[in-house]
Amino acid sequence: QSALTQPPSASGSPGQSVTISCTGTSSDVGGYNYVSWYQQHPGKAPKLMIYEVSKRPSGVPDRFSGSKSGNTASLIVSGLQSEDEADYYCSSYAGSNVVVFGGGTKLTVL
Amino acid sequence: EVQLVESGGGLVQPGGSLRLSCAASGFTFSSFPMSWVRQAPGKGLEWVSVISASGGSTYYADSVKGRFTISRDNSKNTVSLQMNSLKAEDTAVYYCAIGNVQPDDNWFDPWGQGTLVTVSS
Repeated sequence: QSALTQPPSASGSPGQSVTISCTGTSSDVGGYNYVSWYQQHPGKAPKLMIYEVSKRPSGVPDRFSGSKSGNTASLIVSGLQSEDEADYYCSSYAGSNVVVFGGGTKLTVL
Repeated sequence: EVQLVESGGGLVQPGGSLRLSCAASGFTFSSFPMSWVRQAPGKGLEWVSVISASGGSTYYADSVKGRFTISRDNSKNTVSLQMNSLKAEDTAVYYCAIGNVQPDDNWFDPWGQGTLVTVSS
């Protein structure tokens, strides 16, 4: 049950696009099409942004999108806005009724 | 509107016990699996446990297996986490969330506001 690997930080200017990676193994990210992404603002609860690799829950702006290639999933935030500044976490099913999370990425809007 | 409100957190000594509760409203509680996810201070998220909609199936992270017990009362719309033999590394904000841990259903949405558990002497 090792954590997924995310870069500690990412940044971009308003209007730009930024990609956050999430690397696992063939036992988690690579083995299932069930990667989720969560946004967490300081002092707040996490919020689901993407599920099943690329699906957006109702109410999530279409500026947020997800993809996966092999053992690496990605969250793409386009048209960056100041309110996108937050921590982002990926998660994946890892077999045997276990979910693993990434270590989190702090997104800064410059 | 879906609401999840955790309670029961606090300061406990190593080796002690604590029981967390999560009161749910705004949805048909008995139809949804429920999970607990924790976050140590300044750290990332860690899934802790899940219970099926009926309460008949439960699963745990290796880090808490044998020490924590998840349960639910569908008549009271509550899910609980009994935490025994607590260790310093269990110190975290504990969130309850609607969500399952199955191959085709493994995301958490929405989450409660969390309750802080501090294990220290």
